[in-house]
Amino acid sequence: QKEVEQNSGPLSVPEGAIASLNCTYSDRGSQSFFWYRQYSGKSPELIMSIYSNGDKEDGRFTAQLNKASQYVSLLIRDSQPSDSATYLCAVRGGGTSYGKLTFGQGTILTVHP
Amino acid sequence: DTGVSQNPRHKITKRGQNVTFRCDPISEHNRLYWYRQTLGQGPEFLTYFQNEAQLEKSRLLSDRFSAERPKGSFSTLEIQRTEQGDSAMYLCASSPDFDRVLFGPGTRLTVL
Repeated sequence: QKEVEQNSGPLSVPEGAIASLNCTYSDRGSQSFFWYRQYSGKSPELIMSIYSNGDKEDGRFTAQLNKASQYVSLLIRDSQPSDSATYLCAVRGGGTSYGKLTFGQGTILTVHP
Repeated sequence: DTGVSQNPRHKITKRGQNVTFRCDPISEHNRLYWYRQTLGQGPEFLTYFQNEAQLEKSRLLSDRFSAERPKGSFSTLEIQRTEQGDSAMYLCASSPDFDRVLFGPGTRLTVL
């Protein structure tokens, strides 16, 4: 079992729709959860962080965390073609893995006009 | 804040050669990370430093890979006796704490 799992997609949504990206993780001691966006040929860019159960909203982005289910999601409202990118879920573990972020393989999102 | 910088941006080398990459973190960030990313995969953790201390490293760094951060400022990542499987994007990141990890532009390595 991978430590952090994402559906690689591609996920295709029409412009203006809600895009829903999902991630599960295996380490129950995980402390912090992040979403990064990566455009083709570029490095990852931090867009959201979430630390406690529930929802966290930032503009068109909402991150959701359910530690009991070991599940993190990212919702993008009013999706735009400029949102087309790979979205990476990252988890900071507990214990001896406290210092590092472990990434999923990423979900490719395509927003079509 | 000029961001994390990495040099070179691209490196082409022949199999068996040694290569060294440099990373300059954001100046007030005391934590520095190295990751490797191949096409279609997420970044894979290599190692991280807090100031000059290397606090964690993956099993990859026990062999041909080594990293240093003298004086807690810039860092270097060296790969000895490169193999074709080492071809990847090498990403450096830095953070002022554990949670705001910001990436540099990466160094793309091609091993022929």
